[in-house]
Amino acid sequence: DQQVKQNSPSLSVQEGRISILNCDYTNSMFDYFLWYKKYPAEGPTFLISISSIKDKNEDGRFTVFLNKSAKHLSLHIVPSQPGDSAVYFCAATQYTGNQFYFGTGTSLTVIP
Amino acid sequence: KAGVTQTPRYLIKTRGQQVTLSCSPISGHRSVSWYQQTPGQGLQFLFEYFSETQRNKGNFPGRFSGRQFSNSRSEMNVSTLELGDSALYLCASRTGANTEAFFGQGTRLTVV
Repeated sequence: DQQVKQNSPSLSVQEGRISILNCDYTNSMFDYFLWYKKYPAEGPTFLISISSIKDKNEDGRFTVFLNKSAKHLSLHIVPSQPGDSAVYFCAATQYTGNQFYFGTGTSLTVIP
Repeated sequence: KAGVTQTPRYLIKTRGQQVTLSCSPISGHRSVSWYQQTPGQGLQFLFEYFSETQRNKGNFPGRFSGRQFSNSRSEMNVSTLELGDSALYLCASRTGANTEAFFGQGTRLTVV
């Protein structure tokens, strides 16, 4: 049972435009959410996180939005750069938990 | 500060054999988790160790086991390998709850 879902396997965006990656979850007990970026043959790299007490968190070009009522989060990358081309995973966990639940990933391609 | 180190990076094993993978966490991190990544399945949680104790285990058969040593280094063992065990095995360490996990580069296991 996939508790975290990324329904778009791939996304292509022009350089300089906004990339929006989406993620849905089913477990209302999740209260900490993260985005990871992964290049081939490397481990995932932490990008940004958000706690359930917030609805937005920004870090440079990356912003994560959380809509708890819809059980939905999104990652906005503005402006998108070719180096952003990678697979992006969202993950969720509970404050008292000790495992992350990952989505299946969205492959982002930024076209120069 | 050194990152999470996984050894070996690549392994080829034959069906029926067993394999041991190693993970050295970031200094000071006492929580170590293991994940399996296969195409289309995202990252599936295997188990998590904290201070030499397994705190949580994912939905994998008993052929998958692990342990953690007093220096927080962790090993994962898979016995009686099957073709379906071919995957990227990722180790992650973190300081505690509601913090991001830092991943190693993974061990690519191929079972032939």
